Amino acid sequence: DAKTTQPPSMDCAEGRAANLPCNHSTISGNEYVYWYRQIHSQGPQYIIHGLKNNETNEMASLIITEDRKSSTLILPHATLRDTAVYYCIVRVAEIRTSGSRLTFGEGTQLTVNP
Amino acid sequence: GAVVSQHPSRVICKSGTSVKIECRSLDFQATTMFWYRQFPKQSLMLMATSNEGSKATYEQGVEKDKFLINHASLTLSTLTVTSAHPEDSSFYICSAETVLTEAFFGQGTRLTVV
Repeated sequence: DAKTTQPPSMDCAEGRAANLPCNHSTISGNEYVYWYRQIHSQGPQYIIHGLKNNETNEMASLIITEDRKSSTLILPHATLRDTAVYYCIVRVAEIRTSGSRLTFGEGTQLTVNP
Repeated sequence: GAVVSQHPSRVICKSGTSVKIECRSLDFQATTMFWYRQFPKQSLMLMATSNEGSKATYEQGVEKDKFLINHASLTLSTLTVTSAHPEDSSFYICSAETVLTEAFFGQGTRLTVV
């Protein structure tokens, strides 16, 4: 699975949009971009994933560049409860081989300030 | 999203004893379960991949005789930390998935070995 690069930390004001970038320049054509977040002392929570089209759900939007080498997770109206470590992961998402794993990098610590 | 339950959420044990952690997928049948370990201020480190009915695949550097994984059914995997020592104190997290879904994570187990 391709490696990702994220800034170690970001700050955001409550009520504003939080835009979290991720670089994945070695992504393969069959790899999806996944986003998870981990609130302190809890298990990671799935947020969203996509292949090449932009995606939106009730939690966030995912914008993937046309060349697929980077993406941005957007939390449209950040709240204090969105403070967490956000992980960007690339992974094959179709029927997987037995060797497919979900590997976490260092992620971005997002702090939402009042 | 789907629910993955881990038990116990916290455990304190004496050095030299063994501890079993359970991971259950409550509303779906998981073809694969993963076990992670997370030390303070670090990311999740994959320990092993477990497929129902077969032996677990351990990551490099993880002692399979110390961290016993059993995946007896499509809804239950267990991790047993044998002869635990203080350096095994960590946050252990499981995840469960099917071949076509994203991974869902348990809430984690805080193990303290005294």
